[in-house]
Amino acid sequence: DIQMTQFPSSLSASVGDRVTITCRASQSISKYLNWYQQKPGTAPKLLIYAASSLQSGVPSRFSGSGSGTDFTLTISSVQPEDFATYYCHQSYSILSFGGGTKVEIK
Amino acid sequence: QVQLVESGGGLVKPGGSLRLSCAASKFTFSDYDMTWIRQAPGKGLEWVSYISGSDSPIYYPDSVKGRFTVSRDNAKNSLFLQMSSLRAEDTAVYYCARAAPYCDRTRCVDAFDLWGQGTMVTVSS
Repeated sequence: DIQMTQFPSSLSASVGDRVTITCRASQSISKYLNWYQQKPGTAPKLLIYAASSLQSGVPSRFSGSGSGTDFTLTISSVQPEDFATYYCHQSYSILSFGGGTKVEIK
Repeated sequence: QVQLVESGGGLVKPGGSLRLSCAASKFTFSDYDMTWIRQAPGKGLEWVSYISGSDSPIYYPDSVKGRFTVSRDNAKNSLFLQMSSLRAEDTAVYYCARAAPYCDRTRCVDAFDLWGQGTMVTVSS
């Protein structure tokens, strides 16, 4: 099974900061990596698929990069509505999720 | 609108059974693989089943294999999860999600682009 490790597990940021979240796979998954955002009490929402493709309707301040084993999700200028938990998900082999990164207001 | 709506959650005793349903609307249900994903209180996401649009293949993680059974009725646009021998650690919100394929030159893989609102399952005596 492919293990997905996300870090940090939490971070504090101010509105307008650049935020970067990392996801590492236990083996190469090419570019088959997706990112989701989850706010308390709601279902996750797809942000990025195939490592760097922006899902329709998602603001352009979100971007993804990486391939192989190392991936990043970047929020170029974090907004109040971006404070949430973010999960990576590999779809290369069956599926598995990272443990999540909680982005909190500083 | 395009949506998924789960139902069937509730309180069940350890060792008991429960059947969850997920009703799909406004899209061609049979065209999509589907998955059940759960989230224990305060924890992360864990997949518990995956079923292709044509019923096969089906996958489960070891944590639920032999206890959970996923099925679908494409004529009724519905997805099901039959859960038996339930344990306290199965307590979670259960989401159904649609697997949208994306393809490159080598393969097609999935991203979960549509989720239900979730249904809570509590296993407790």
